[in-house]
Amino acid sequence: SAVISQKPSRDICQRGTSLTIQCQVDSQVTMMFWYRQQPGQSLTLIATANQGSEATYESGFVIDKFPISRPNLTFSTLTVSNMSPEDSSIYLCSVETANTEAFFGQGTRLTVV
Amino acid sequence: GIQVEQSPPDLILQEGANSTLRCNFSDSVNNLQWFHQNPWGQLINLFYIPSGTKQNGRLSATTVATERYSLLYISSSQTTDSGVYFCAGWGAKNDYKLSFGAGTTVTVRA
Repeated sequence: SAVISQKPSRDICQRGTSLTIQCQVDSQVTMMFWYRQQPGQSLTLIATANQGSEATYESGFVIDKFPISRPNLTFSTLTVSNMSPEDSSIYLCSVETANTEAFFGQGTRLTVV
Repeated sequence: GIQVEQSPPDLILQEGANSTLRCNFSDSVNNLQWFHQNPWGQLINLFYIPSGTKQNGRLSATTVATERYSLLYISSSQTTDSGVYFCAGWGAKNDYKLSFGAGTTVTVRA
């Protein structure tokens, strides 16, 4: 299994500002994943982050809006930039263990006002 | 990625009742998991079950990979079982990207 510490757990932000979300894993992992869950919806993959290379973004998500860092094999950050109320969502990071089972952080509940 | 269909979308249960949630996949899956999302948004791993049957307390799950579906059984439901249940998987041709169903919202009434 994997234990993921994600913070902050929640935040209320002003529109136009940026928020950086951090994820720390208790073991080294090759790939980390960032998801968005809009209110009442399922999870949508934002991007996949590999250590030492640029993140790979899914259709509809761009690096300027959601820059990601992956400085080592246990840590990653996601920044939500120039926020608007439409960015209000739960953001979750995830890793997959060697047997491909996925584990998630506690989630960050973001409200943009 | 693969398409994941969950049913029913909503389920209201009286405490003590049993229920079955279903997940259908559009293609073969290499990884199939069930999660429970609590009211605080955290995803709790219930089962990692690419095939076969597993049980954990009052919950059990069965995946029939050849027929591309999985079932989650809740027995003797309790109010703490309330929340959203998601199934997710990635297909044989996919690069480690989980595809999620829309979820089943379960409400257990005392």
